[in-house]
Amino acid sequence: GAVVSQHPSWVICKSGTSVKIECRSLDFQATTMFWYRQFPKQSLMLMATSNEGSKATYEQGVEKDKFLINHASLTLSTLTVTSAHPEDSSFYICSARDLLGGDTGELFFGEGSRLTVL
Amino acid sequence: AQSVTQLGSHVSVSEGALVLLRCNYSSSVPPYLFWYVQYPNQGLQLLLKYTSAATLVKGINGFEAEFKKSETSFHLTKPSAHMSDAAEYFCAPYRRGKLIFGQGTELSVKP
Repeated sequence: GAVVSQHPSWVICKSGTSVKIECRSLDFQATTMFWYRQFPKQSLMLMATSNEGSKATYEQGVEKDKFLINHASLTLSTLTVTSAHPEDSSFYICSARDLLGGDTGELFFGEGSRLTVL
Repeated sequence: AQSVTQLGSHVSVSEGALVLLRCNYSSSVPPYLFWYVQYPNQGLQLLLKYTSAATLVKGINGFEAEFKKSETSFHLTKPSAHMSDAAEYFCAPYRRGKLIFGQGTELSVKP
């Protein structure tokens, strides 16, 4: 099956610094990637839809300037948490869609990145 | 608006017992319905998906789900629970290009 890799798997940073998380589709091209946020014992909340070569589409309530998304190539999307604060601590998960066989709705997920802001 | 509801945030079964995790979607039928499993500190793994080809869908690890339009349900079942089935399970309809996840159900398996 299609493989999506996320890096780093965990990161600890100081308050006020910025952190970048990478999401790569390893064996397929992903024109669309999705970024989710998950709090402990809760569901995945869709943050934004990342489209290759264009601006990301953010869900209501998600700060565009806080969570910068770049999708510069068909295999890489990045999420940058700018000026991170403790409340940004969370588990961030990316997913990608392989459209080669048509849109079946199925997403392939990265392993997740746990961010802890001190 | 919530388009999917998972009844029971936590389900506990004994090893070897039947597993039933409930999922109800909103009245409009989504083109696709998914069940994903998440193990601690990991991403999501696809268990199975409904694509209208068949109402009874078989997935990995012995899981299956039945799509019932009259009940707007897509419950997940497994005849005999295994300790390794302990995880978080998410039901997710696909709508307008997005997967929207239910609240999740944590499955515990007792020896």
